[in-house]
Amino acid sequence: SQTIHQWPATLVQPVGSPLSLECTVEGTSNPNLYWYRQAAGRGLQLLFYSVGIGQISSEVPQNLSASRPQDRQFILSSKKLLLSDSGFYLCAWSTQTSEQYFGPGTRLTVT
Amino acid sequence: SQQGEEDPQALSIQEGENATMNCSYKTSINNLQWYRQNSGRGLVHLILIRSNEREKHSGRLRVTLDTSKKSSSLLITASRAADTASYFCATEGGGADGLTFGKGTHLIIQP
Repeated sequence: SQTIHQWPATLVQPVGSPLSLECTVEGTSNPNLYWYRQAAGRGLQLLFYSVGIGQISSEVPQNLSASRPQDRQFILSSKKLLLSDSGFYLCAWSTQTSEQYFGPGTRLTVT
Repeated sequence: SQQGEEDPQALSIQEGENATMNCSYKTSINNLQWYRQNSGRGLVHLILIRSNEREKHSGRLRVTLDTSKKSSSLLITASRAADTASYFCATEGGGADGLTFGKGTHLIIQP
């Protein structure tokens, strides 16, 4: 069976510090991978999606970047965090035709 | 975890007809959201309805919420072929766990 892991679960970082959130998927090959952000009381916002290694599409301009160094690994990064980067970050995977399966999420607080 | 249950799981209608999808949930919520997913693409946020609201409109979309029955419906009027997609409801409670998604309704609009 397929599983998706995200870490860390919670993170508190000062403004201007770097960020690295990692997501890995097990039990499937060549998945589509996604990073979302949710601000409290707001909808889920798609940040990045990837259909293969090294292939990243960005949905909105922002202070973040994503990389996919391996087939089942998706990393969300920032060189310098802003207060507005605080939120709940979700990684998800899917096949070409399946629904999306979400990871447990990372709650990021930028202070 | 997923607490939303959408029905039907699949719906096929003719272009121009109205499409209605339903969502039920189990716990108390702060808001309920509807998302669309085109095959192989990320989720797109459609509409958010708060727990103290009963109905909300956005273009051809109408969402209702009945907190006493713990259910919501999404109505798409005058459907178009481009509305073909999977539609998901997601609930946000009072905790820090982010969104909880249902399994989705796959909508097919026949031209």
